[in-house]
Amino acid sequence: AQSVTQPDIHITVSEGASLELRCNYSYGATPYLFWYVQSPGQGLQLLLKYFSGDTLVQGIKGFEAEFKRSQSSFNLRKPSVHWSDAAEYFCAVGAGGQGAQKLVFGQGTRLTINP
Amino acid sequence: NAGVMQNPRHLVRRRGQEARLRCSPMKGHSHVYWYRQLPEEGLKFMVYLQKENIIDESGMPKERFSAEFPKEGPSILRIQQVVRGDSAAYFCASSPPGLAGNRVPYFGPGTRLTVL
Repeated sequence: AQSVTQPDIHITVSEGASLELRCNYSYGATPYLFWYVQSPGQGLQLLLKYFSGDTLVQGIKGFEAEFKRSQSSFNLRKPSVHWSDAAEYFCAVGAGGQGAQKLVFGQGTRLTINP
Repeated sequence: NAGVMQNPRHLVRRRGQEARLRCSPMKGHSHVYWYRQLPEEGLKFMVYLQKENIIDESGMPKERFSAEFPKEGPSILRIQQVVRGDSAAYFCASSPPGLAGNRVPYFGPGTRLTVL
């Protein structure tokens, strides 16, 4: 069965510092991978996605993620965080045998920004 | 282009009542998914529908829960005889038709259900 692990439940970084959020997946075929962000009381906003091709993908708000098949990882990075990046981040893999329809989510990583 | 719309945003029900959650997908999207976010459990897939068809309901509880996506109108997630354990945030997502690789799910703002 497909699964996603986000090892860090909570991360705190200082404003302006670099950020890396970890994501490991388990999936038998070529995965469809996503990162979403959720602010308190809000829905999920798509940050970026990987389907195929270049393993380094660029997203919105200055985020990027790198797909590493050998490590089954899809880590999210940002060179310099802003206070507005404080939120919960979810990694997801598209499952169901037909690509992106059914998402399996990780438990999420809550990001706190120190001023 | 309006995003995925869900209503109500907040819903309070007493135990034993029915809850109806509505989802209007983005324009041009014919695929709808429902997810539930329970405290301490994360986001879990419930059901995937296309117009007038349930494609995958493997995540739906066996009793009291049902979903539909009629030819006209929004998708409805219906919970009968609610219990306190149904209190959660329910999210709808939609995606366009076409190649699987293009079916990126976009999420609505969610409905927060509280059962008293």
